[in-house]
Formats: sequence, C-alpha cells, structure tokens
Amino acid sequence: AQSVTQLDSHVSVSEGTPVLLRCNYSSSYSPSLFWYVQHPNKGLQLLLKYTSAATLVKGINGFEAEFKKSETSFHLTKPSAHMSDAAEYFCVVSASGTYKYIFGTGTRLKVLA
Amino acid sequence: NAGVMQNPRHLVRRRGQEARLRCSPMKGHSHVYWYRQLPEEGLKFMVYLQKENIIDESGMPKERFSAEFPKEGPSILRIQQVVRGDSAAYFCASSPNRDRGRGETQYFGPGTRLLVL
Repeated sequence: AQSVTQLDSHVSVSEGTPVLLRCNYSSSYSPSLFWYVQHPNKGLQLLLKYTSAATLVKGINGFEAEFKKSETSFHLTKPSAHMSDAAEYFCVVSASGTYKYIFGTGTRLKVLA
Repeated sequence: NAGVMQNPRHLVRRRGQEARLRCSPMKGHSHVYWYRQLPEEGLKFMVYLQKENIIDESGMPKERFSAEFPKEGPSILRIQQVVRGDSAAYFCASSPNRDRGRGETQYFGPGTRLLVL
C-alpha cells in the first residue's frame, strides 16, 4: 500500500528566502513521486516527478526535489521564493508502474513581501 | 496543444438534482481519471476509464455516481440526486495511451466546482 504525508499544512516564507516543503512517503514497491502546484481556483500543474532515474529532480520555476530512499522523503525546495509561488502544493505517490495517484493533504505556501 | 478541458467550471445544483461533469482529455490521450477534492483535503481517486471501458472504479461511491468515456465525445461524470456532501471540486486527468496508463504522468484539468444548495 502507498501513502504520503505532508508534514506541514501551512508554510510562510519571506520573498527571496528559501522554500522547503516536506513530504514523506510509504510504498511497498519502488515508487513514482510527483509534486503538483495548485493556484487558487485553478487546476493542478506538474512541477516535477521522480521515476527511479536521478535522485535529484529539477522541475519548473526553479523548484527541485531530492528522493531519499533511506529517509523515505521527497522534499521540495527552491532557493529563493517569489510572490507568484504562493499556492497549494501536493506531494503524490504512485507505485511504480501503476496509475493510481495517492495525494498528500497539501501544503499551503504563503510568501510575504 | 490544448490541455485537459473540463466544463462547466462551476456548477450549482439543488439537492435531488443531477449533475453532469464533462472532461475532454489532451489530444492523443486515451486514459482518463476522475478525482474528487473535498474542502481542505487532497484529491482522492474515483475512477479510471479508457474509451468505452471502466478500468477501475474502486474510488467511486456505490450509489448515485457513474462515469463513462464513450467512443466519441468527452468523458462524463454523472451524479444523480445530489446531496450537500457532494459539494467538492472534481478534477479530471488524462495520460497517454501507452501500457494501460501505468506509470504515466497525469495531466490535470482546471476542475469543476460543484456546489449543492
């Protein structure tokens, strides 16, 4: 069975400072992992995905995530937050080779001017 | 290349009415997935369809909910006799037609926000 835990429901950072959104997963099989972003009243946009290639995954808009099997983590980071990054972020796991996405409960990122 | 299209974007229904939500996948995609997002929660898988086939409906409520993906036209999620608890955002996603959708990235539409009065 797969599950995903997003450790923080809300994160606030100042513009220009680093962003860290934490995600831990549980998977019986080799997982695929994704980060999606959802802006208010919009759909979900794929930021990045891990599918057993390089453990450090670079995504769009300067985001990246590192797959750490020993820690069962897939934290999302960005060196410098921008106001436009304010949104809800979802960590998603699926067992490798399957279609069923398991979503975390989301982390709402607030960026302060 | 247009993304996943959903309509309507907002839908208001009174208790007991029917709600029909439509989803057109990305061009070249033949796998469609429906998810429901309740307020302050993540998305929950409902159903996975291919053209004219329901592959997995394990996340669908047993009553009042049905889904189809006909040979021609969009996928439809139908909710009969809606209740207040059906108020949620319903998202559709699609993926390319390779290996029955396993492991493919899913691309999401903008969602339909259903409000039941």
